[in-house]
Amino acid sequence: DVKVTQSSRYLVKRTGEKVFLECVQDMDHENMFWYRQDPGLGLRLIYFSYDVKMKEKGDIPEGYSVSREKKERFSLILESASTNQTSMYLCASSFLQRTGTKNIQYFGAGTRLSVL
Amino acid sequence: GEDVEQSLFLSVREGDSSVINCTYTDSSSTYLYWYKQEPGAGLQLLTYIFSNMDMKQDQRLTVLLNKKDKHLSLRIADTQTGDSAIYFCAEGGSQGNLIFGKGTKLSVKP
Repeated sequence: DVKVTQSSRYLVKRTGEKVFLECVQDMDHENMFWYRQDPGLGLRLIYFSYDVKMKEKGDIPEGYSVSREKKERFSLILESASTNQTSMYLCASSFLQRTGTKNIQYFGAGTRLSVL
Repeated sequence: GEDVEQSLFLSVREGDSSVINCTYTDSSSTYLYWYKQEPGAGLQLLTYIFSNMDMKQDQRLTVLLNKKDKHLSLRIADTQTGDSAIYFCAEGGSQGNLIFGKGTKLSVKP
């Protein structure tokens, strides 16, 4: 079974703190993704990565950065947390997309972050 | 641009059929997907359909695809309380990602 593991289920941080959200996958997937999920807004893509040390901005990258030093690990960093970053954060991974093939993403259980 | 639309809420009685609808914009999507999110959990792939098909059945699930109208639906027969969840429709994005709808929250009343 594919496993995508997010290091924390719940986090409470203070405004201005630097926050690290960690995600590890065990399927040798090339692609990894970070989303945030908010009621009524669905999933919004923050950043994604096709390979080690590579990153691409998603729809809402402002206030976030990412790190992918190893293939299996993708970290989301909030440089200076703000209250509007209180949300559910979901990590996902998939094989590299090839034309005409299925693009199935596997998700972690999520990290619920509260910024006070 | 790429966009996926679906209604936000659906309420049904246990034993009834549920139909969740979705519209998408990218006619070049090879596959379309339905994901399920149970409370407090991440998303799990429920089913998918190849764009050359118009129907796919898998036990209590039926996926219908109208490619001309870019309309996708998920029918759950004999809906159970355990089917209560958020259901997301998704299409392939141009950058190898997936474009998700906002999710339909299905509530099943006993």
